[in-house]
Amino acid sequence: DIVMTQSPDSLAVSLGERAAINCRSSQTVLYTSNNKNYLAWYQKKPGQPPKLLLYWSSTRDSGVPDRFSGSGSGTDFTLTISSLQAEDVAVYYCQQYFTVPRTFGQGTKVEVK
Amino acid sequence: QVQLQESGPGLVKPSETLSLTCVVSGGPISSNHWWSWVRQPPGKGLEWLGEIFHNGNSNYSPSLKSRLTMSVDKSKNQFSLYLTSVTAADTAVYYCTRGPHGWADYWGQGTLVTVSS
Repeated sequence: DIVMTQSPDSLAVSLGERAAINCRSSQTVLYTSNNKNYLAWYQKKPGQPPKLLLYWSSTRDSGVPDRFSGSGSGTDFTLTISSLQAEDVAVYYCQQYFTVPRTFGQGTKVEVK
Repeated sequence: QVQLQESGPGLVKPSETLSLTCVVSGGPISSNHWWSWVRQPPGKGLEWLGEIFHNGNSNYSPSLKSRLTMSVDKSKNQFSLYLTSVTAADTAVYYCTRGPHGWADYWGQGTLVTVSS
């Protein structure tokens, strides 16, 4: 299995400030034949299902604000929230879909400082 | 707009079989998507369980493969999960999802399944 490790486990950021979450995979999730990283990011709020934010590591899903962006390639990735809003308080998960099982990171809790 | 809705018993006894169904509306289950199950135990993270295509092709998590079966019913536009020999460790919120390439773009609201006698 590909193990996904996120850091930090939690972070507190002031409103309007930048938040960055890292995700590392135990092996590459870059498919060289199409140069795509098979990595997605989700936002999870209590009592709600996860919401897809990004796929192919940096493509925003429909309706996702542009303050959310993804970067990285191969085994190291970052989700950045450029200007934290109150509604962004949530747990964020990365997931690789390069191979099965399609494993998730352990989650990163984002709070307001 | 695609919608997914899980249904099934909220309480299952240890050693019994957990059965859940996900009804898909707003689009055919025979579309070019994988239909999967993800769970979240209380206070823990997300766990991918497995996925199935409308033609019956499936992939399961190796940790659950011996206990897990998924099926598709195209006539009812739904898919199902069967998990045998459940224990308290299987207590979780279970989500059904749709995914085009392995990520999940649509999720059900989730259903809490508690394993207890």
